[in-house]
Amino acid sequence: GNSVTQMEGPVTLSEEAFLTINCTYTATGYPSLFWYVQYPGEGLQLLLKATKADDKGSNKGFEATYRKETTSFHLEKGSVQVSDSAVYFCAKHTGGFKTIFGAGTRLFVKA
Amino acid sequence: DGGITQSPKYLFRKEGQNVTLSCEQNLNHDAMYWYRQDPGQGLRLIYYSQIVNDFQKGDIAEGYSVSREKKESFPLTVTSAQKNPTAFYLCASSTGQGEAYGYTFGSGTRLTVV
Repeated sequence: GNSVTQMEGPVTLSEEAFLTINCTYTATGYPSLFWYVQYPGEGLQLLLKATKADDKGSNKGFEATYRKETTSFHLEKGSVQVSDSAVYFCAKHTGGFKTIFGAGTRLFVKA
Repeated sequence: DGGITQSPKYLFRKEGQNVTLSCEQNLNHDAMYWYRQDPGQGLRLIYYSQIVNDFQKGDIAEGYSVSREKKESFPLTVTSAQKNPTAFYLCASSTGQGEAYGYTFGSGTRLTVV
């Protein structure tokens, strides 16, 4: 099928901990890959992107590398803050006007 | 600043009523989208529009209708045929197909049936 799979949440971390949120996708062609973040009661905001294999997207201390061999795009941050608490969505653009979103992973960061 | 404006933020619908959700963008994007988000779930595509006066059904179009009379505007009507309309509705837009720069989202409308 055509899908994006994220690790289930919630993920609960203490401030300054290392974050990994796993994301894998079904390999149909050469999709662009994205991470979006959603704060409570808000819409999604684009966090980072990668458009081809081995590209690394980065923004606000978050990083993700497009791994074609493992069909993965895991999100990482070296030291999370309370303000990073949100829901994170992995997504792939499959061609045409269609983007497939994962189910989202909720992150809680404790002070 | 450019962006997408959705209104209202909260909307209450009685059984059997049609309601219209507004979405306006000033980003000069050709493509616009409507997504539905249910608690704990990802986004599901309702409708999308590539250009003015053209729109296509997404994965869950039943019970919804749209129009695209202006480039800036893409309103969504939730009709009485939609049996479970309570959800968070998100409008988005993109330059091109969204493959290069992703989507810009509005802040959403929360619809509740009362």
